Amino acid sequence: ETGVTQSPTHLIKTRGQQVTLRCSSQSGHNTVSWYQQALGQGPQFIFQYYREEENGRGNFPPRFSGLQFPNYSSELNVNALELDDSALYLCASSLDPGSSYEQYFGPGTRLTVT
Amino acid sequence: GNSVTQMEGPVTLSEEAFLTINCTYTATGYPSLFWYVQYPGEGLQLLLKATKADDKGSNKGFEATYRKETTSFHLEKGSVQVSDSAVYFCALSGVDSSYKLIFGSGTRLLVRP
Repeated sequence: ETGVTQSPTHLIKTRGQQVTLRCSSQSGHNTVSWYQQALGQGPQFIFQYYREEENGRGNFPPRFSGLQFPNYSSELNVNALELDDSALYLCASSLDPGSSYEQYFGPGTRLTVT
Repeated sequence: GNSVTQMEGPVTLSEEAFLTINCTYTATGYPSLFWYVQYPGEGLQLLLKATKADDKGSNKGFEATYRKETTSFHLEKGSVQVSDSAVYFCALSGVDSSYKLIFGSGTRLLVRP
């Protein structure tokens, strides 16, 4: 069984540019959540997709957007990058929303904005 | 609002020492509580969880008990190993329909041989 995978591993962008991060969920999982982890901090919830619909959003501006595809893989898009967007972006998948369903995390994408 | 507070690190221990990492929470309703571990260069792994008051989660020698009266979920291990060196995150979920995880800021554990 393949776990959660994310691409790319590392990315360097310039302020003002746009970036797309990708996540493949674990087989059979229909829910994907995205988190931002700044250096030395705990992950912060960005948003969640459940069966291709957004199912909750954290305190992030609209320039953070996402998609979920019919195969339940997902993308995180960030427009007009700012220096503070530099962070580790984590994707997690689960069988369904619900605390009885464990969220399985991918290894993350390290984004550096210069 | 909903939040998690953990003791600041780093926590430095000698091998075979007793470990406690404190975690308290503020939440509406009855959240589920979790401990996640992050090894260098990796994502998060679920270590243990508890879904209701007085439940004890346990895994790999680690334990934590959901204490509703003190809103706490302290992580303990009787004898740490060098391989336990990592960052530990306390988290809660179940405060909305997304069951998003709300994390503390993490506690780094360094275990010396």
